[in-house]
Amino acid sequence: DAKTTQPPSMDCAEGRAANLPCNHSTISGNEYVYWYRQIHSQGPQYIIHGLKNNETNEMASLIITEDRKSSTLILPHATLRDTAVYYCIVRFSSGGYQKVTFGTGTKLQVIP
Amino acid sequence: GAVVSQHPSRVICKSGTSVKIECRSLDFQATTMFWYRQFPKQSLMLMATSNEGSKATYEQGVEKDKFLINHASLTLSTLTVTSAHPEDSSFYICSVPAGGKETQYFGPGTRLLVL
Repeated sequence: DAKTTQPPSMDCAEGRAANLPCNHSTISGNEYVYWYRQIHSQGPQYIIHGLKNNETNEMASLIITEDRKSSTLILPHATLRDTAVYYCIVRFSSGGYQKVTFGTGTKLQVIP
Repeated sequence: GAVVSQHPSRVICKSGTSVKIECRSLDFQATTMFWYRQFPKQSLMLMATSNEGSKATYEQGVEKDKFLINHASLTLSTLTVTSAHPEDSSFYICSVPAGGKETQYFGPGTRLLVL
């Protein structure tokens, strides 16, 4: 699976959009971009994933650049409950049966 | 509601004892489950893949005789930390592939403290 690079930490004001970047310059054509988050002392939670098109669900939006070398996770209106470590992961299969390899992630602190 | 449960949520044990952690898939039948370990201020590290009806597959550096995995049924996998030592103190998390969906659901984790 391709390696990802994320900033170690970010702050965001409550109610503002949180934009979390991820660099995956060695991604191959059939690797998907996944985002998970882990709130303190809990198990990770799936957020969103995509291959090449931008994706949106009830939690977030995922913007993937045209060359697919980077992506941005957008939380449109961050709340205090969004404070967590966010992991960007790339892997070959979209299937749930493939193991997930976690990097170091970005610790997002939402500030009141 | 929860898709994956773990029991116990936290456990304290004496060095040298064995501890069993259960992972249950509440909504899906799972022929495969994954076990992770997370030390403080670190990321999750995959330990092993639990396979129903066959032996678990361990990641490099994980001792299979120390971390016994039993995938007893399509909804239950257990991880037994044998002869636990203080360095085994960690947060243990399991995950279950979400049926035909494209992701995995993670359990709430079990915090193990070995004294």
